[in-house]
Amino acid sequence: QSALTQPASVSGSPGQSITISCTGTSSDVGGYNYVSWYQQHPGKAPKLMIFDVSQRPSGVSTRFSGSKSGNTASLTISGLQPEDEADYYCSSYTSSSSWVFGGGTKLTVL
Amino acid sequence: QITLKESGPTLVKPTQTLTLTCTFSGFSLSTSGVGVGWIRQPPGKALEWLALIYWNDDKRYSPSLKSRLTITKDTSKNQVVLTMTNMDPVDTATYYCAQYRLNFDSFGDWGQGTLVTVSS
Repeated sequence: QSALTQPASVSGSPGQSITISCTGTSSDVGGYNYVSWYQQHPGKAPKLMIFDVSQRPSGVSTRFSGSKSGNTASLTISGLQPEDEADYYCSSYTSSSSWVFGGGTKLTVL
Repeated sequence: QITLKESGPTLVKPTQTLTLTCTFSGFSLSTSGVGVGWIRQPPGKALEWLALIYWNDDKRYSPSLKSRLTITKDTSKNQVVLTMTNMDPVDTATYYCAQYRLNFDSFGDWGQGTLVTVSS
């Protein structure tokens, strides 16, 4: 199972919006609405930000939103804040009854 | 409040078997729809999913590592154990356990992680 493809880095200024893509195949992202996104600050454990493509867990800011089109899922962060600077990982359920993560995207808030 | 904590050796030698324990509180692995998974992260690299055990003892493994992994649970002790055989230096990573919830299809609560180094 190959890792999902994410851009290595994205950046934006405070207040702006950014989008991180996550590309898989019809055997994972495209085949199931079980895409999740995780935020990881340096030295910390990942934190669930989005599940089931577009659902936010309780306590996660409404500035975070998710979507999917075909084999590509996206995470959008609006109104960028300095504390959003972190690594972001997508994940998907697969046809092998397993889970696969993306390669990770480093978000820099300029 | 849900908490998970990983424990095990910090250093293992090549070819040895790694045994990690995840001790959790705030939920029960006998509750329908709940699971515990293991995910690892080599230094400076991406997350990699390893294994998951469900409340009903159903087990799932990474296809690429399946032959080396075994996951078990002890519901009475609130523990999940992962064993990985034939360790290699490329297996050096921080190993996380996390709670899985079927109705969220994701890993919602994570342990702090434990760094395992494979070196002779």
